[in-house]
Amino acid sequence: GAVVSQHPSWVICKSGTSVKIECRSLDFQATTMFWYRQFPKQSLMLMATSNEGSKATYEQGVEKDKFLINHASLTLSTLTVTSAHPEDSSFYICSARDIGGQPQHFGDGTRLSIL
Amino acid sequence: AQTVTQSQPEMSVQEAETVTLSCTYDTSESDYYLFWYKQPPSRQMILVIRQEAYKQQNATENRFSVNFQKAAKSFSLKISDSQLGDAAMYFCAYRAGTYKYIFGTGTRLKVLA
Repeated sequence: GAVVSQHPSWVICKSGTSVKIECRSLDFQATTMFWYRQFPKQSLMLMATSNEGSKATYEQGVEKDKFLINHASLTLSTLTVTSAHPEDSSFYICSARDIGGQPQHFGDGTRLSIL
Repeated sequence: AQTVTQSQPEMSVQEAETVTLSCTYDTSESDYYLFWYKQPPSRQMILVIRQEAYKQQNATENRFSVNFQKAAKSFSLKISDSQLGDAAMYFCAYRAGTYKYIFGTGTRLKVLA
């Protein structure tokens, strides 16, 4: 089945640093990737949609300069949290859609902790 | 705007019994998809079952089945013969033409031995 690999699975870093999270589709071409944020005991909130080779579309209230998304190839999208602060600590999950469209395939998530 | 509502924050079921999780949604679209995802403590999102809105027949996957009422915009999940491994957060999700998923707030299912 379709596999989406997300790396790293857990990262702890100091306030003010930038953190990059990778999302790779291992056995299919992902025309679209999605980035979600999940706070403890809450639902997944869509942050942005990225299509290969074009700029990401951000949801209302998501700072695009804070959360940089790059989707340079059909198998890789990256989310960079710039100048991270403790309030950015959360669980970030990516998902990918292949040409067929259904269903989305989710990565295992990244737990980000900012000290 | 589309919304997905799960009115049960937490449910409990005895092992081997049946439980139903509720989900309602609001949309003006006629063509869409509905999903149930399971999220165990590992936080991995696991697809449980999906339903295409144009199909009248309710989807079934082994012990999991849905009751899809399009007119009522209701999409409940029934888990039969519950097992300890079914304990998790369950999210109902909606998807229309933009491919964006809208998730409900989730229902935590506890399975009692």
